[in-house]
Amino acid sequence: DGGITQSPKYLFRKEGQNVTLSCEQNLNHDAMYWYRQDPGQGLRLIYYSQIVNDFQKGDIAEGYSVSREKKESFPLTVTSAQKNPTAFYLCASNRGEGQPQHFGDGTRLSIL
Amino acid sequence: QQPVQSPQAVILREGEDAVINCSSSKALYSVHWYRQKHGEAPVFLMILLKGGEQKGHEKISASFNEKKQQSSLYLTASQLSYSGTYFCGTDHGGQNFVFGPGTRLSVLP
Repeated sequence: DGGITQSPKYLFRKEGQNVTLSCEQNLNHDAMYWYRQDPGQGLRLIYYSQIVNDFQKGDIAEGYSVSREKKESFPLTVTSAQKNPTAFYLCASNRGEGQPQHFGDGTRLSIL
Repeated sequence: QQPVQSPQAVILREGEDAVINCSSSKALYSVHWYRQKHGEAPVFLMILLKGGEQKGHEKISASFNEKKQQSSLYLTASQLSYSGTYFCGTDHGGQNFVFGPGTRLSVLP
């Protein structure tokens, strides 16, 4: 079955550490997205990519970095510059502008 | 700019109806509706396109008023499984897509 796989499901970060969240899709979608969701809040866009080797900053990109070397993969790195990383991170993909987004099951990141 | 959703939260008894509204200050190409259950990922419900017809999904339907730049989601004869947070997403064209803050719906037996 096609879908989006995020790993790990839970992740703990130490102070000053960079961590990478994985997102893989086998839906053959061109566009991929990373969102951050804080408890009881909506989804805020971190980064998005419409095509391989290209990505754009979203509303809250500071302290995060991404890469898009393969169509299927869009990993997100939470750097030590992100001072408040505790949140639920969701990866999504779609066929392009204006199309419905399909979401992975998310990664919960906490600080140790 | 983030769309406005109303109400912020609603509590229903099983079998009752509800309406959730989504409005934007900018012109809309389309409106998407998603439902997220607690601790899970959002799930796409339907998309309302500019110039398109009212959409339906089981007992959940939606309308889109282009002139007023708003959409409404109608939940008829609500079931326990309808509980969750409903998000609208507004598409303003050119990769300019924004999710609303969400409306928390609780359906009680």
